[in-house]
Amino acid sequence: DQQVKQNSPSLSVQEGRISILNCDYTNSMFDYFLWYKKYPAEGPTFLISISSIKDKNEDGRFTVFLNKSAKHLSLHIVPSQPGDSAVYFCAARSNFGNEKLTFGTGTRLTIIP
Amino acid sequence: DVKVTQSSRYLVKRTGEKVFLECVQDMDHENMFWYRQDPGLGLRLIYFSYDVKMKEKGDIPEGYSVSREKKERFSLILESASTNQTSMYLCATQGQYNSPLHFGNGTRLTVT
Repeated sequence: DQQVKQNSPSLSVQEGRISILNCDYTNSMFDYFLWYKKYPAEGPTFLISISSIKDKNEDGRFTVFLNKSAKHLSLHIVPSQPGDSAVYFCAARSNFGNEKLTFGTGTRLTIIP
Repeated sequence: DVKVTQSSRYLVKRTGEKVFLECVQDMDHENMFWYRQDPGLGLRLIYFSYDVKMKEKGDIPEGYSVSREKKERFSLILESASTNQTSMYLCATQGQYNSPLHFGNGTRLTVT
C-alpha cells in the first residue's frame, strides 16, 4: 500500500525553464512533508520541507506547495540548472510523534542543456 | 556537518550467508534508521532505533535484525541472505524532532 506516490518516474526539462515535480499522499494523518534529492552513488540529501499549517515554502530556486484538501504537494525548481539532474523523493511524516518517514517512489529529473 | 559512514560501498554475498552492514555517525544523534532503495519502490524503512539497545520495526523488517550497542553505531543484520535482499541499503540519522534525516552514501549489496 503506497501511501506516498510520485506518478512520474521521469521528467526532462530544458535548462532555464521551470521543473515541477508532483507527489500525492493518501494518509490524512501526515502533517510534515520533505523533499530529498539523490545523485547516483550518494545518499539522499535534504532539500526543503513544509508543515501542514502552511501551503507554501520557498528557499532560493526551490518552492514547495501543499494542497491539503487534494492531498497533493509539488516542488518547483526555477530556473532549472544541469546540476539539478537527480532523483527526487518526496517524504511524509505522521503527527503521532513517530519519527518514521514514508517515502515516495522517486522521480528522475533530467535537465537538458 | 553531520557525517554518516557506512562501512562498505559494495558487497557481494552468497545465498544463506550472514551479512552485517555497519553504520556509524559522529553527531551524537538519538535516532538512527535503515532503509533499502529499489527501483520503482522508493525508500522503504526496515528498522529504526531511538536510543541504545532500543529498536522498532519499520515497514519491511522480515529477514532482517538490528543491533545498537553504542549510540553512534547501528548495525543491520541479514541472518540468512537471499537473492531478494539484493538492494541499495541506506543508513540515516536524525537529531531533533522534525529535523531532516542525514543519510550515508549507501551500501549496494548483491546476493548471488
